[in-house]
Amino acid sequence: DVKVTQSSRYLVKRTGEKVFLECVQDMDHENMFWYRQDPGLGLRLIYFSYDVKMKEKGDIPEGYSVSREKKERFSLILESASTNQTSMYLCASTQGGDGYTFGSGTRLTVV
Amino acid sequence: EDQVTQSPEALRLQEGESSSLNCSYTVSGLRGLFWYRQDPGKGPEFLFTLYSAGEEKEKERLKATLTKKESFLHITAPKPEDSATYLCAVRRSGGYNKLIFGAGTRLAVHP
Repeated sequence: DVKVTQSSRYLVKRTGEKVFLECVQDMDHENMFWYRQDPGLGLRLIYFSYDVKMKEKGDIPEGYSVSREKKERFSLILESASTNQTSMYLCASTQGGDGYTFGSGTRLTVV
Repeated sequence: EDQVTQSPEALRLQEGESSSLNCSYTVSGLRGLFWYRQDPGKGPEFLFTLYSAGEEKEKERLKATLTKKESFLHITAPKPEDSATYLCAVRRSGGYNKLIFGAGTRLAVHP
């Protein structure tokens, strides 16, 4: 089975901190995605990547950046964390024809 | 604009009481409709992919169907362990395999 591993289940950070969320997949998938999930809003796409060093903005990229230096790893960076970035962050990967495989999520609280 | 709407937002059932969840969508060039199950605090888990109107798929007590405008997830004789949030998503042609998600339906099945 494909595994998508997110490095932290829970994180608490202070306003203004730079935050790194890491995601690793083990099945050589080309496509990787970062979503945030908020009650009543569903999953919203932040950034995605279809190849190493390639990235595309999703629907809500403001305040975020990403890095994909290796095929298996896709990092989400909050340049200066703010309280409105408190959320559940979900990483996913796919090879294309199939649905996504999701990680377990990182619940980030910014105080 | 591509859009996915799920109804109802929340559904409470008695054990054994069958029902259906709805996912209506507007998308240019549908390349798949996906159903996921999400337990609290976890990432979504893939259930089904449907590609064309008239297609049906089943898994245990769940059956998904697709028309040109909507999909239904039918739950037959549900059990308490079916309690979860059910997410619907669509993929459009030329979209880098991005999925557009609905806000989900929270299902609670009581004994």
